[in-house]
Amino acid sequence: QKEVEQNSGPLSVPEGAIASLNCTYSDRGSQSFFWYRQYSGKSPELIMSIYSNGDKEDGRFTAQLNKASQYVSLLIRDSQPSDSATYLCAVSVDSNYQLIWGAGTKLIIKP
Amino acid sequence: SAVISQKPSRDICQRGTSLTIQCQVDSQVTMMFWYRQQPGQSLTLIATANQGSEATYESGFVIDKFPISRPNLTFSTLTVSNMSPEDSSIYLCSVPPTGEETQYFGPGTRLLVL
Repeated sequence: QKEVEQNSGPLSVPEGAIASLNCTYSDRGSQSFFWYRQYSGKSPELIMSIYSNGDKEDGRFTAQLNKASQYVSLLIRDSQPSDSATYLCAVSVDSNYQLIWGAGTKLIIKP
Repeated sequence: SAVISQKPSRDICQRGTSLTIQCQVDSQVTMMFWYRQQPGQSLTLIATANQGSEATYESGFVIDKFPISRPNLTFSTLTVSNMSPEDSSIYLCSVPPTGEETQYFGPGTRLLVL
């Protein structure tokens, strides 16, 4: 059974601090990794994708991938109240375009 | 990316009835996915819909309960049949644009069964 695990939270972070979200996956053959943000009552929205080991930065967001340890993380710098949402980690399955989804981490940014 | 619309956006239905949800994409895509998201839960894949072939259902989901149509490369429907309160959920369609492994989601259909 291929699995993706996330801490469900909630993770509470003061405004302006760095929020760190983590995700581990079971399938060592996974090649593609995604972070989605989901606001309450809305559908998931892709914010980051990462395919190779190391860091990938996009604005205030940094995705980190370590395939040897089978984890992927998302850092949000200078956290804003508007970053409060549930963050879903998703991992590709083989080449059939299906994704395995984590349960999501609820992030709360406190003003 | 892809622009995806769903109809209806929400509905309240009586148990025992059926509801058909439509998903329209602004470009041609080979695969479409249908998910269910129950309150406070993550996404559960119901089925994969490929144009020109039968949908492939995940464990726990059957065609009699969730029939799917995929008449062309931009459109699909999911029917929730003989509904019960346990079917109350958000139903989402998603597509991987051609050549991409990621998925883009429609706005969802919020279903409440009384």
